[in-house]
Amino acid sequence: DIVMTQSPLSLPVTLGQPASISCRSSQSLVHSDGNTYLNWFQQRPGQSPRRLIYKVSNRDSGVPDRFSGSGSGTDFTLKISRVEAEDVGVYYCLQGTDRQTFGQGTKVEIK
Amino acid sequence: EVRLVESGGGLVKPGGSLRLSCAASGFSFSGAWMSWVRQAPGKGLQWVGRIKSKIDGGTIDYAAPVKGRFIISRDDSKNTLYLQINSLKTEDTAVYYCTVGRDWGQGTLVTVSA
Repeated sequence: DIVMTQSPLSLPVTLGQPASISCRSSQSLVHSDGNTYLNWFQQRPGQSPRRLIYKVSNRDSGVPDRFSGSGSGTDFTLKISRVEAEDVGVYYCLQGTDRQTFGQGTKVEIK
Repeated sequence: EVRLVESGGGLVKPGGSLRLSCAASGFSFSGAWMSWVRQAPGKGLQWVGRIKSKIDGGTIDYAAPVKGRFIISRDDSKNTLYLQINSLKTEDTAVYYCTVGRDWGQGTLVTVSA
């Protein structure tokens, strides 16, 4: 099974400052169809998860453009250009190339 | 608007069984690949399994920890996804979500306790 490793697991950030979360996979996420199935989810306290990014860098509709995804192969990053109070929560990467696996989650909190 | 409504959770004794349902609306259910994800209290998300659409072969995949005990099925005539959980263990205590693409239900809580 593909193992997804996120870092850091806890991320205190200052409002208005950028934040970055790393996600590494134990093997390449390039599918035989040429796509890379790496998604990012946000889970606010007490809520169901919400997908932010699909296939590495595609923002879902309604997601603020301060969220961006990048990466390739085994290394991926979610960036928040300027953190806002509503961004507090836990962020997960998910690989869908070979079945599915979530990362451990990164808790984003305001300093 | 996509709507996913899980039901069937509750308190069950270890060794018991439970069937969860997910009623779907607002999209073409028969063409969708549907997944179950669970979240133990205070823990992260764990993928449970996925069922492909019949037109894509209807293949079912499971996470290693649940394979052999969990059974995913679908009834396209009822737009409903199911998760049969057998031989329940205390570590199966979690909120169980059904998901499709970007959309998630609100989850149903399964508590396994004597």
